[in-house]
Amino acid sequence: DAKTTQPNSMESNEEEPVHLPCNHSTISGTDYIHWYRQLPSQGPEYVIHGLTSNVNNRMASLAIAEDRKSSTLILHRATLRDAAVYYCILRGPGGGADGLTFGKGTHLIIQP
Amino acid sequence: DSGVTQTPKHLITATGQRVTLRCSPRSGDLSVYWYQQSLDQGLQFLIQYYNGEERAKGNILERFSAQQFPDLHSELNLSSLELGDSALYFCASSTNPRSSGNTIYFGEGSWLTVV
Repeated sequence: DAKTTQPNSMESNEEEPVHLPCNHSTISGTDYIHWYRQLPSQGPEYVIHGLTSNVNNRMASLAIAEDRKSSTLILHRATLRDAAVYYCILRGPGGGADGLTFGKGTHLIIQP
Repeated sequence: DSGVTQTPKHLITATGQRVTLRCSPRSGDLSVYWYQQSLDQGLQFLIQYYNGEERAKGNILERFSAQQFPDLHSELNLSSLELGDSALYFCASSTNPRSSGNTIYFGEGSWLTVV
């Protein structure tokens, strides 16, 4: 799977939007962009995924650059419960027989 | 609740011992994954099974083994345990591992402490 680059940590205030960036300059045309998050002492949790078009769900939005070399996870109104490590992961053709390859992710800190 | 159930939640054992971690995937999921998370290594993929057959291997030690049973539950066996095996072990499941858009659901993990 292609590599992703994320900031080590980000800080935001409660009830404000949060934009978490991810660079994936070597992404292939068939790679899906997945976002997972891991709250303290819990298993990773699926957030959102997309291929080319922007995606929205009840948790977040995913904005994908036109050249697909970067993407941004948007939390529209952060709460203290959104404090977690967020992972941006690419999944190649065939679903990635090795599941998901996690990097170090971005540690999101939410200030009250 | 992801629907993936792992037991036990916590386990303390001595070096040299053997333990078995158990995982029940979400209803209908045929694929099971095992991951190890330690403080210094992050989340590491160990092994994947699909409908009872081994599908992919990651950084799994020879002292470790896994299997998936006909009822689709899976077990991860860790033997000759060392202090460095202390970690959080996650099981995850998905429906179709061949789809790049497929979501993987994780359990709450089993905390293993080797003393």
